[in-house]
Amino acid sequence: QQPVQSPQAVILREGEDAVINCSSSKALYSVHWYRQKHGEAPVFLMILLKGGEQKGHDKISASFNEKKQQSSLYLTASQLSYSGTYFCGTAANAGGTSYGKLTFGQGTILTVHP
Amino acid sequence: DTGVSQDPRHKITKRGQNVTFRCDPISEHNRLYWYRQTLGQGPEFLTYFQNEAQLEKSRLLSDRFSAERPKGSFSTLEIQRTEQGDSAMYLCASSPKVRLGETQYFGPGTRLLVL
Repeated sequence: QQPVQSPQAVILREGEDAVINCSSSKALYSVHWYRQKHGEAPVFLMILLKGGEQKGHDKISASFNEKKQQSSLYLTASQLSYSGTYFCGTAANAGGTSYGKLTFGQGTILTVHP
Repeated sequence: DTGVSQDPRHKITKRGQNVTFRCDPISEHNRLYWYRQTLGQGPEFLTYFQNEAQLEKSRLLSDRFSAERPKGSFSTLEIQRTEQGDSAMYLCASSPKVRLGETQYFGPGTRLLVL
């Protein structure tokens, strides 16, 4: 079953912050976040493993709440280059291991204006 | 260090024709995945390989679709008797097999248009 992302779209001005959420009804092994620009392939941002960890990369960070099967992506002080569609991909938990395949959400369109 | 490459990047074909796409994963990545993406949607899983073994196939993969990875390196995805509904971006991704989760790196995709 496909994870649900919210919101579907976000419009920001440069320097503003945004949060994108990803919820699954399945027990998850990992959550993967990607950004995709129009006509291009998805670009890997970060991976979070079960255990409630939080990761950060420059001004983009993410958290994974294993109990709620939810992940959130935090974009702070947004830049024009952050514009694109953000996807979460989830790997289901099967006996403590992942089979590897990702199930992607429907995407969140982020637009950053000057 | 080269990334995942796919060939061709674009393919236009007529309904009923067969098409074949190629994916070259990142060197030494032993897992390879195929996904399909239609406009406005996230990628949908089609199949994946660990080395040359095809370990899982989606129900989306009808009998017109076949994938191979004969020597555990590059992979091909063939669609026989193409239909207009097959028009999509076909994405390949690869990952190393590590214990604590795998990062999948995507190639640029092959955009298929069936007329």
